[in-house]
Amino acid sequence: GAVVSQHPSWVICKSGTSVKIECRSLDFQATTMFWYRQFPKQSLMLMATSNEGSKATYEQGVEKDKFLINHASLTLSTLTVTSAHPEDSSFYICSAPRTSGLSDEQFFGPGTRLTVL
Amino acid sequence: GEDVEQSLFLSVREGDSSVINCTYTDSSSTYLYWYKQEPGAGLQLLTYIFSNMDMKQDQRLTVLLNKKDKHLSLRIADTQTGDSAIYFCAETFGGGQNFVFGPGTRLSVLP
Repeated sequence: GAVVSQHPSWVICKSGTSVKIECRSLDFQATTMFWYRQFPKQSLMLMATSNEGSKATYEQGVEKDKFLINHASLTLSTLTVTSAHPEDSSFYICSAPRTSGLSDEQFFGPGTRLTVL
Repeated sequence: GEDVEQSLFLSVREGDSSVINCTYTDSSSTYLYWYKQEPGAGLQLLTYIFSNMDMKQDQRLTVLLNKKDKHLSLRIADTQTGDSAIYFCAETFGGGQNFVFGPGTRLSVLP
């Protein structure tokens, strides 16, 4: 089956630094990828839609200057958390849809746990 | 292991009520969620219910939870064509750190 990977799986950083998280579709191309955030013991919340070759679309309340998204190729989207603060500590998950026939099937990455000290 | 099941398809007529059903296996689930996915879009959280509740209503949406039978349902009143989407049921386990999603129910609303 299709696989989506994320790197790194776990990152700890100091407050004020920037962290880049990669999301790759390993055996299919994805013109669109989605970034989610999961706070501890809470649900997944959609942050933004990453579009290959164009600007990302952010959900209401998500700061686009804080969470920079770059969809550099058909298999790679990156999320950069700029000037990270402890409240940015969270679990970040990406997903990529693969079109099969008339339907899209979503494949989720394993997630990246960010801890900001 | 943990498992969440849903029927894959549901068709209703515009104006009717839709009921999407879900069964889960983890009796220690704390929260249960309903997500909506429109074509080409990401998952959007619709509503959730805490496991010690048996009903939650939010405008046209009613969530019913039967914890004994591990059965969750989502009722959409006065279904509109804009409600056509895939609806995912999800449970958390492991102290709320992990998610299990159902396969999704594709709701088609006929005029």
